[in-house]
Amino acid sequence: NAGVTQTPKFRILKIGQSMTLQCTQDMNHNYMYWYRQDPGMGLKLIYYSVGAGITDKGEVPNGYNVSRSTTEDFPLRLELAAPSQTSVYFCASNPPGRAEQYFGPGTRLTVT
Amino acid sequence: AQTVTQSQPEMSVQEAETVTLSCTYDTSESDYYLFWYKQPPSRQMILVIRQEAYKQQNATENRFSVNFQKAAKSFSLKISDSQLGDAAMYFCAYRTGGSNYKLTFGKGTLLTVNP
Repeated sequence: NAGVTQTPKFRILKIGQSMTLQCTQDMNHNYMYWYRQDPGMGLKLIYYSVGAGITDKGEVPNGYNVSRSTTEDFPLRLELAAPSQTSVYFCASNPPGRAEQYFGPGTRLTVT
Repeated sequence: AQTVTQSQPEMSVQEAETVTLSCTYDTSESDYYLFWYKQPPSRQMILVIRQEAYKQQNATENRFSVNFQKAAKSFSLKISDSQLGDAAMYFCAYRTGGSNYKLTFGKGTLLTVNP
């Protein structure tokens, strides 16, 4: 298993541009999550999904959108990038009945 | 709302010695989980250890062990025989039981291991 994979690893966006951060897991996990990590801070939950077709907001959802059309994929969309969205973004998943989450390698996004 | 506090922004330890990282949390729940995650310079989040609140026995994983004090809402991580590869940011995290799987993280403790 490749585990949780994220693309791209790095990206620089201009203010107002849009992009999609990709997340895929091959472990057949129902639960998936998007977090952001700002400098000197822990991770904060943006959105999560408990299965295909089901998504819900986390702690900091403003400026982001998600979809979950398959079990494997959970893309995060930024519509109008702002400097406040400069951060490292992590995708995670966990299987039913297991409490711990498994993380992807992260995407470092800079908005200038 | 649950909060997780790590009061030590930075810690250092000599190679082969023992270090303890502190974590306190605030919750009104009785069923929950606690975790320590390690984030090396590679940025990857790696699960170190987990503890179920209903278990009185402290979790251990090789050189890593926890001191879970439920009444005091304290969850410290002890690293024995510290190695250079242990140098990383360490995050304490909390999750309620039931169907809410959201993790709440502390701000982290940066651990330096001196040779």
